[in-house]
Amino acid sequence: GEDVEQSLFLSVREGDSSVINCTYTDSSSTYLYWYKQEPGAGLQLLTYIFSNMDMKQDQRLTVLLNKKDKHLSLRIADTQTGDSAIYFCAESTWMDSSYKLIFGSGTRLLVRP
Amino acid sequence: KAGVTQTPRYLIKTRGQQVTLSCSPISGHRSVSWYQQTPGQGLQFLFEYFSETQRNKGNFPGRFSGRQFSNSRSEMNVSTLELGDSALYLCASSLVEGYGYTFGSGTRLTVV
Repeated sequence: GEDVEQSLFLSVREGDSSVINCTYTDSSSTYLYWYKQEPGAGLQLLTYIFSNMDMKQDQRLTVLLNKKDKHLSLRIADTQTGDSAIYFCAESTWMDSSYKLIFGSGTRLLVRP
Repeated sequence: KAGVTQTPRYLIKTRGQQVTLSCSPISGHRSVSWYQQTPGQGLQFLFEYFSETQRNKGNFPGRFSGRQFSNSRSEMNVSTLELGDSALYLCASSLVEGYGYTFGSGTRLTVV
């Protein structure tokens, strides 16, 4: 079945780059997403990548996709304390005649001043 | 433009009661999905509606149901509440199925 895995925790110093990794299993996934969740809040869509792309850059965010290894990463440049949150990787997968999102368990990013 | 609106933000219910949660999608979005978030199980798919039709349902008991209205607004209902139903319920809308899901702030349900 489909599965998305992420490491649970990442700690970085303010100003450094953060790299959050994710692996997925469904090779037919069309879109892969990164969401951010702050305490007590919903999910904020950060960025997404279409499965036929290798890389996408959006301001401080860079997404890399290695389709062969089913590996997705999110790089945050110049990480700020406001970036502290839980980051979820998700794949959009077709199942039972519709799409649904399969989420990883989330990576908690702590940015130290 | 307005985002996805979920009401209420917080709810406290007693075991055995039933509850209805509401989701208003972004204007023009016809697909609405619901997810349950708990510390133990993470984010799990509940159901998806498109043009008033349930297109898919996750692995949840029949106590969980939903519907979508002609204006794309959606409601989900949980009957005979159990303590384990305590969770953050998130709604997402998208213009096109499978692409560009925008989530609301969620409804936090506590069952006591």
